Amino acid sequence: NAGVTQTPKFRILKIGQSMTLQCAQDMNHNYMYWYRQDPGMGLKLIYYSVGAGITDKGEVPNGYNVSRSTTEDFPLRLELAAPSQTSVYFCASSTGVFNSPLHFGNGTRLTVT
Amino acid sequence: GQQLNQSPQSMFIQEGEDVSMNCTSSSIFNTWLWYKQDPGEGPVLLIALYKAGELTSNGRLTAQFGITRKDSFLNISASIPSDVGIYFCAGQRGSQGNLIFGKGTKLSVKP
Repeated sequence: NAGVTQTPKFRILKIGQSMTLQCAQDMNHNYMYWYRQDPGMGLKLIYYSVGAGITDKGEVPNGYNVSRSTTEDFPLRLELAAPSQTSVYFCASSTGVFNSPLHFGNGTRLTVT
Repeated sequence: GQQLNQSPQSMFIQEGEDVSMNCTSSSIFNTWLWYKQDPGEGPVLLIALYKAGELTSNGRLTAQFGITRKDSFLNISASIPSDVGIYFCAGQRGSQGNLIFGKGTKLSVKP
């Protein structure tokens, strides 16, 4: 069972560069999420999607974009990387049934210098 | 933004000891969840609580959903070295699955 797969595991960007963090799940989950985790902090929601073609902002969406063209994939785009976006990014998915728990990927560690 | 207050921030205990951590909120949640995160990995769900007052166990772990729906605790009995990690509480309010996370409790266990 692959579950939620994130790539790459690590990345270093220069300020102003762009990149896409990939997330794929093979559980046929409708709901997918992107969180960021800063040192000593809990996870904060960036964007989420309740199904293909539908996305919505979370608590900290500025500087990011997402798309959901398929049920399986939910890429996160950084257009102009800034040092404040240095963080560990986690993708998660759930069935969307009320109270269904989230399943997390293993994260992408991003450093912007 | 919305916040959960999780305490303690860190704990250093001897193998075999019991552990207790808790989360409080100024807002009501429909669901309380407890996750564990090992280094370099994503959080893994330990226990999910769905009703106020609910007490649920998973092996040596026991968690409770507070009666007021504004708090939850997690107990670990007879700790072992593999219990080391960061434990997060999370509250879920709506039907779309968005979670509000606490800042985590870092557990260290001395053999």
